[in-house]
Amino acid sequence: SAVISQKPSRDICQRGTSLTIQCQVDSQVTMMFWYRQQPGQSLTLIATANQGSEATYESGFVIDKFPISRPNLTFSTLTVSNMSPEDSSIYLCSVGTGPTTGELFFGEGSRLTVL
Amino acid sequence: QQPVQSPQAVILREGEDAVINCSSSKALYSVHWYRQKHGEAPVFLMILLKGGEQKGHDKISASFNEKKQQSSLYLTASQLSYSGTYFCGTEIRAAGNKLTFGGGTRVLVKP
Repeated sequence: SAVISQKPSRDICQRGTSLTIQCQVDSQVTMMFWYRQQPGQSLTLIATANQGSEATYESGFVIDKFPISRPNLTFSTLTVSNMSPEDSSIYLCSVGTGPTTGELFFGEGSRLTVL
Repeated sequence: QQPVQSPQAVILREGEDAVINCSSSKALYSVHWYRQKHGEAPVFLMILLKGGEQKGHDKISASFNEKKQQSSLYLTASQLSYSGTYFCGTEIRAAGNKLTFGGGTRVLVKP
């Protein structure tokens, strides 16, 4: 299993600013993902955070808007840049502990409100 | 492409049964099921890897019909704790857990 801590748990941000979300895992994990969940909606994959290399982004998400770092096997950050009200959402860090498909563990999420 | 879940919502009395369906337009490698309670993180229920495979978790079970490219989640003798939103997540190939989630099914179990 894996225990994930995300910070901040929530924040209120001004339009045009940037915010960095941190994800810390209590063990080394192979796969780390960042998801977005708008209120009452499904989970949308933003990107796969790759250790030691650039993240792999899904269609509709770009590095300039959502830069991601993953310096080691237990930590990752997601920055939401130049925020607008449309970025108001819950951002979730997720990890898989094996190299193949299996259980995903999710952090509690970071709820961002952009004014 | 996002899998389609049905129904979007269901209300049950304690002890009743329900079925949630998850359909894909593409052939699937795996189907995952998660439950998310309000304000909490999604929690893994089960994964199905082979066509026709059925798995269980307490009185919650699931099947995977590879030919029909769909999976069904069965809530049997529902309990109050079953309330939440259920999501299926799919992989069209072995992609290291990179899931595409369905729109979710809200389940409310009443006493």
